[in-house]
Parts: sequence; C-alpha cells; structure tokens
Amino acid sequence: GAGVSQTPSNKVTEKGKYVELRCDPISGHTALYWYRQSLGQGPEFLIYFQGTGAADDSGLPNDRFFAVRPEGSVSTLKIQRTERGDSAVYLCASSQGTGRYNEQFFGPGTRLTVL
Amino acid sequence: AQKVTQAQTEISVVEKEDVTLDCVYETRDTTYYLFWYKQPPSGELVFLIRRNSFDEQNEISGRYSWNFQKSTSSFNFTITASQVVDSAVYFCAPLGGGGSNYKLTFGKGTLLTVNP
Repeated sequence: GAGVSQTPSNKVTEKGKYVELRCDPISGHTALYWYRQSLGQGPEFLIYFQGTGAADDSGLPNDRFFAVRPEGSVSTLKIQRTERGDSAVYLCASSQGTGRYNEQFFGPGTRLTVL
Repeated sequence: AQKVTQAQTEISVVEKEDVTLDCVYETRDTTYYLFWYKQPPSGELVFLIRRNSFDEQNEISGRYSWNFQKSTSSFNFTITASQVVDSAVYFCAPLGGGGSNYKLTFGKGTLLTVNP
C-alpha cells in the first residue's frame, strides 16, 4: 500500500499493562509524527522524528510514553503502566520533510482502550 | 504560540447547499503554513490543502474553494453544492510556532452533516 499504515487498528488493555503501537510510514518519507486524538478533540502533537532521531518529544505527556524509530522507517510508540486516561486514538503521520514540504499524511490510527 | 479557532462546532445543511467553514488563526510568525484536513466517519485524516503566508491567492479545486486573508487572520473553506459524502469533521491547522516548522496545531474542528 502507498499510504501510512498502523497496527493494530484497535487495542484493548487493562490498566497497568504495557502496549506497543506500530506505524509504517510512506516509503521515502523522512519525517514521522505521532499525534493523539481524544473524543471530540483535534489531534494533539506527541513526537516528531527526523530520520532515526526524535527531534521533538515535547508533546509526550509523561515518562510512561516513549517512541523509537531505529532504522528511520517504522516507528513504535510504547506506553508503560497504562492508565484509563491514555484511552484515545493514536495517529501516525509522515511527510517528505518539513516546512514547505510538510504535507503530513495520516494513517488510520490505533484506537487504544484502557479498562 | 499558534492558536486556531473554529467557532462553528457543528453545521447541518441539506444536499446541494453551499457551506462555508470558518477558521481564524493567531500567530506571531511572519512565515507559516495553514492546512485543512477532513476526517470522515471512518476516522482517517485526509489532507485537503496547504497554503503559505506569502500567497493570498484564493484557490479552487472542484467544489472546494479556500479564501485566505492575512489581514483578518482567516482561512475559510467553502464547499459548493454539498454532497452527503462531504459529511465529516473538518480541521484547520496552522503549522509551526516557536521555531517549529513541523508541528501541526489542530483546533476542535467543525462537524459538517450534509443531509439528503
């Protein structure tokens, strides 16, 4: 497929558990982003990768959240000790670059439910 | 910091009506980009348009048109002859702020319902 893909599409977990959410960006896109969307709200920025490095992780809510992109392509968002407030749709986006090349293309999202 | 206001929370129209979605943004930056995204019931955000702060020329793409006015800090979006498939949440999102040229700031969006 040519678009951004995310797996799983739905994840239900219990409070306190660890989860991993995966994002496969558009081939050739060097920039990758994670956003979180709560019900009735617009997406909120979490983290931005340029290549393998996290260039800006200022949107991560706390240290239970961590993301990696070891080979500059696929990224994994990791959440430790999940809490009910973490329930949301987690969106991944990618772009060719930034600035004038920043047309961010979004994946379908992972709906995380913490019971 | 960037701020975007979409004052219309919900709009309901009958098919074939024209509808305009309002967007007002605030920024201290002199160079910035503005985006519109559509989020249909399926949930996937669909990129519609990007404009930069240097270009105030209005743009038309089929039934969609955008009116960007830097003087009033508005970037409004009009759908002509609306269709049921246009039903979605529409987000206006400025890019950047604080030296960032990559972070999109989304408002709460406008839910558009087009009734047959």
